[in-house]
Amino acid sequence: EAGVTQSPTHLIKTRGQQVTLRCSPISGHTSVYWYQQALGLGLQFLLWYDEGEERNRGNFPPRFSGRQFPNYSSELNVNALELDDSALYLCASSPGRNTEAFFGQGTRLTVV
Amino acid sequence: KQEVTQIPAALSVPEGENLVLNCSFTDSAIYNLQWFRQDPGKGLTSLLLIQSSQREQTSGRLNASLDKSSGRSTLYIAASQPGDSATYLCAVPLFIGGGADGLTFGKGTHLIIQP
Repeated sequence: EAGVTQSPTHLIKTRGQQVTLRCSPISGHTSVYWYQQALGLGLQFLLWYDEGEERNRGNFPPRFSGRQFPNYSSELNVNALELDDSALYLCASSPGRNTEAFFGQGTRLTVV
Repeated sequence: KQEVTQIPAALSVPEGENLVLNCSFTDSAIYNLQWFRQDPGKGLTSLLLIQSSQREQTSGRLNASLDKSSGRSTLYIAASQPGDSATYLCAVPLFIGGGADGLTFGKGTHLIIQP
């Protein structure tokens, strides 16, 4: 069974640009979560999608947004990139509330 | 707001030793607690999930315990091997009393097993 897959694995963008990251959950999982892991800051919760709807978001500005498609895959969009957005972005999926979360390998975003 | 602390921040031990990693959380109203490992620059690998009704979970050489009332969990690694070298993270549901809203993580224990 395929795990959580993310694309691309690495990305370099210029400050002010926009970026889209993609995530495919494990088959049968309806919940998708996005996390940011910036150097020295640890893992921070970004967004939670379930059944196509945004259910919750962490303490991030509105330029971080996303969506979930009918097949439960998800995109994370970041507008007006800043240098501090450089981080490893991790996607996780789970089959439902209070269940085990499984993570992808992440997308390394570098903003220059 | 739930906060998670992991001690020690770093640990280096010779191969073969048994070791204990500690995790504490500020509010005991959790549904579950999950332990992960992360290799440098990689994603997270789920190791163990303990439900709030459980006291411990075992997987191979790993054993995780949970004491909700004291807000603590420990991860015990038996007969450590160089391949166990990684950062170990514990996580609980983000919101007090909540679940599936996302996880809040400790900053991890960076473990090095010397051959």
